[in-house]
Amino acid sequence: SQTIHQWPATLVQPVGSPLSLECTVEGTSNPNLYWYRQAAGRGLQLLFYSVGIGQISSEVPQNLSASRPQDRQFILSSKKLLLSDSGFYLCAWRHQGSSYEQYFGPGTRLTVT
Amino acid sequence: GDSVTQMEGPVTLSEEAFLTINCTYTATGYPSLFWYVQYPGEGLQLLLKATKADDKGSNKGFEATYRKETTSFHLEKGSVQVSDSAVYFCALKLSSQGNLIFGKGTKLSVKP
Repeated sequence: SQTIHQWPATLVQPVGSPLSLECTVEGTSNPNLYWYRQAAGRGLQLLFYSVGIGQISSEVPQNLSASRPQDRQFILSSKKLLLSDSGFYLCAWRHQGSSYEQYFGPGTRLTVT
Repeated sequence: GDSVTQMEGPVTLSEEAFLTINCTYTATGYPSLFWYVQYPGEGLQLLLKATKADDKGSNKGFEATYRKETTSFHLEKGSVQVSDSAVYFCALKLSSQGNLIFGKGTKLSVKP
């Protein structure tokens, strides 16, 4: 069976510091991968998605970037965090092919102070 | 553009009360519709789905019917439990793309 991992589970970082959140998927190959942010009162926002290694699509302009160095690894980064980057970050995956469902990881709670 | 609109929460109910969470959508194509649930401190889990008009999705006592004429997918449960306390997200997926578009979520609190 497939599983999705995210770490860390929680993170408190000062403004201006860098960020690296990691997501890995087990038990499947060549998945589509997604990063979402859930900010208070703003619902769930798609940040990035990837259909393959090195292929990243950005949905919204922002202070964040994403990379996919390996087939089942998806990294969310920032060089300098802003207060507005605080939120709950969720990684998700699905099989290739638009008819498949998305499965979500447990999330990372980021607080920028 | 394509979008999902949910009733704003929070919704507070007593145990065994009837639940309705409204969801309407705007889409240019023929989307699939989903309800996801997020329990406190966790990621999202798929609760139910419907892929075409008049389909009814159901799971764990929850139901939702895909109404094309009213572009709606309202979530219902006849008797809620304290363990149903969570945030519920309505979402659509266009077959041409496969990415999900979410509503803002509705927080449900069930009191004993």
